[in-house]
Amino acid sequence: NAGVTQTPKFQVLKTGQSMTLQCAQDMNHNSMYWYRQDPGMGLRLIYYSASEGTTDKGEVPNGYNVSRLNKREFSLRLESAAPSQTSVYFCASSTVPYEQYFGPGTRLTVT
Amino acid sequence: AQSVTQLGSHVSVSEGALVLLRCNYSSSVPPYLFWYVQYPNQGLQLLLKYTSAATLVKGINGFEAEFKKSETSFHLTKPSAHMSDAAEYFCAVSGLTGTASKLTFGTGTRLQVTL
Repeated sequence: NAGVTQTPKFQVLKTGQSMTLQCAQDMNHNSMYWYRQDPGMGLRLIYYSASEGTTDKGEVPNGYNVSRLNKREFSLRLESAAPSQTSVYFCASSTVPYEQYFGPGTRLTVT
Repeated sequence: AQSVTQLGSHVSVSEGALVLLRCNYSSSVPPYLFWYVQYPNQGLQLLLKYTSAATLVKGINGFEAEFKKSETSFHLTKPSAHMSDAAEYFCAVSGLTGTASKLTFGTGTRLQVTL
């Protein structure tokens, strides 16, 4: 039982490049989430998926897109990376209404 | 709407001393409240949660928190700090949105434990 896994762990992009962050969970949770963590700002919700086939915007969705590929997988795409998107990205999953379980994070640097 | 305020971005205690990390929340519905811990270069790990049962909640690693509705607080305590408690701690409040539990996090408190 791996919980929530994320790939890659680290990534460096140039401004304007695109990439997809992958997330998978093996806990049979319905809901999945993407957050970004920046110093002094806590975690901020980018997008979430309440259930397979649905996605909704969170607090900071601009510049991102998501895909809920199936119940297990939820990906986050940066179409044209900007330095302001340098951050640590966390994926999480939950069985409503309980706690969320977090992945180990992806550290992204955009130069 | 919901929000969380964590008082003190940095807290330093001596090993063996009481740990007190403060969290105040705002929620328009009865809240679920959580404390998470983050060790360097790791993800967030649940310490404890309040889900409208007992107001005094015990978690892992000797931590506990008390839900006080009148004060809208959910402060985290540990009687005796250990060096291994050095980490960043986040308080979060959950509100149901349809079928998802969206968490709103505080900005975190970094706990330093000194000899």
